Amino acid sequence: GAGVSQSPRYKVAKRGQDVALRCDPISGHVSLFWYQQALGQGPEFLTYFQNEAQLDKSGLPSDRFFAERPEGSVSTLKIQRTQKEDSAVYLCASSPAGGPVNEQFFGPGTRLTVL
Amino acid sequence: AQSVTQLGSHVSVSEGALVLLRCNYSSSVPPYLFWYVQYPNQGLQLLLKYTSAATLVKGINGFEAEFKKSETSFHLTKPSAHMSDAAEYFCAVSPSTGGFKTIFGAGTRLFVKA
Repeated sequence: GAGVSQSPRYKVAKRGQDVALRCDPISGHVSLFWYQQALGQGPEFLTYFQNEAQLDKSGLPSDRFFAERPEGSVSTLKIQRTQKEDSAVYLCASSPAGGPVNEQFFGPGTRLTVL
Repeated sequence: AQSVTQLGSHVSVSEGALVLLRCNYSSSVPPYLFWYVQYPNQGLQLLLKYTSAATLVKGINGFEAEFKKSETSFHLTKPSAHMSDAAEYFCAVSPSTGGFKTIFGAGTRLFVKA
């Protein structure tokens, strides 16, 4: 079966541009997580959705970051007015049930480079 | 607030030797604990998890980890390393009482020498 997919796999943006990163979770998975992974670091939590509800957005670094999952499946992470420090790999993960106890299935990530 | 520390950003072992990757956590109550592995050019995948059942947890590919509350540790071990174990390993902690935020360690890269 299909795993978690993310698009685009690579994105180059000029500073100040807006970007949108897409995540297609495994069909039927309730939970969806977004992470930011800087080079040489572990994934850093950004936000969590349970179905269409965004239950935790405490990790979003600024109000330039916005995430949505309007129908409880596909999710989009939007970054407005990108800055160089936004350069990182953005990971999406989904989980079959609600809450943080279950295994998370990760996508391959989107590598964002801001010039 | 929860946190996780992985001791050693790089670990090198010989093929057939014991693998020991260290993870210590900080949490006011025992959390859920995970080990994930990332092979080159692949996404993270779960090795094993502790969710307050048995303290010795067995995972895939011969790995296991032991939850020690007194030491706030969740070290990952494998009796005999294979070349195919070379990868990046991440320890992670999630809240067991409310909340959804999973915290990952900085990772330990395992090198296996022939």
